[in-house]
Amino acid sequence: EPEVTQTPSHQVTQMGQEVILRCVPISNHLYFYWYRQILGQKVEFLVSFYNNEISEKSEIFDDQFSVERPDGSNFTLKIRSTKLEDSAMYFCASSEGASQETQYFGPGTRLLVL
Amino acid sequence: RKEVEQDPGPFNVPEGATVAFNCTYSNSASQSFFWYRQDCRKEPKLLMSVYSSGNEDGRFTAQLNRASQYISLLIRDSKLSDSATYLCVVNPFSGGYNKLIFGAGTRLAVHP
Repeated sequence: EPEVTQTPSHQVTQMGQEVILRCVPISNHLYFYWYRQILGQKVEFLVSFYNNEISEKSEIFDDQFSVERPDGSNFTLKIRSTKLEDSAMYFCASSEGASQETQYFGPGTRLLVL
Repeated sequence: RKEVEQDPGPFNVPEGATVAFNCTYSNSASQSFFWYRQDCRKEPKLLMSVYSSGNEDGRFTAQLNRASQYISLLIRDSKLSDSATYLCVVNPFSGGYNKLIFGAGTRLAVHP
């Protein structure tokens, strides 16, 4: 069964450093998403991406965040200057279409900012 | 009012019990609804979509009441493996894009 993959599974970084989280969506999917889940809290939408541009972003997704599809398979989330409060699990998801389509989630990257 | 509201639980039930979870959502224009399951420190996994007519998948039954903005999940004959957090998820489908709004989840613990 096709699945979304994410690397690394864990990332530890110092405050102020840049991190890039990587995702490989399911191959025939066209819509890509990032969500985050702070420990003990709910899953929160960050950004959706379609046709090489951001289609929607949340208030959390400020100028420190960016997304990119650098090639035909990868989808990345960059945090330019990490803050302590960026510590969370980051989930990538993908869907075949937009309208009421199921989103499939990757296993997540656990980011710890020290 | 929270966009998606759930009773956090935990629900502690014996094997074989029937348990029901409820969820309310605030955006009356929401278009699609789901229950996801999340195991500890794992990704959310789709359990089932929820339709106005109600739908069933084995031991799981989901119902949607659009007038009351209320979603439910019924689990019959609970198994130990059902222990997880159940996430009520709504797609407001604003602007034609597919953004999921999650509830905080209801924890279920099934014991022998």
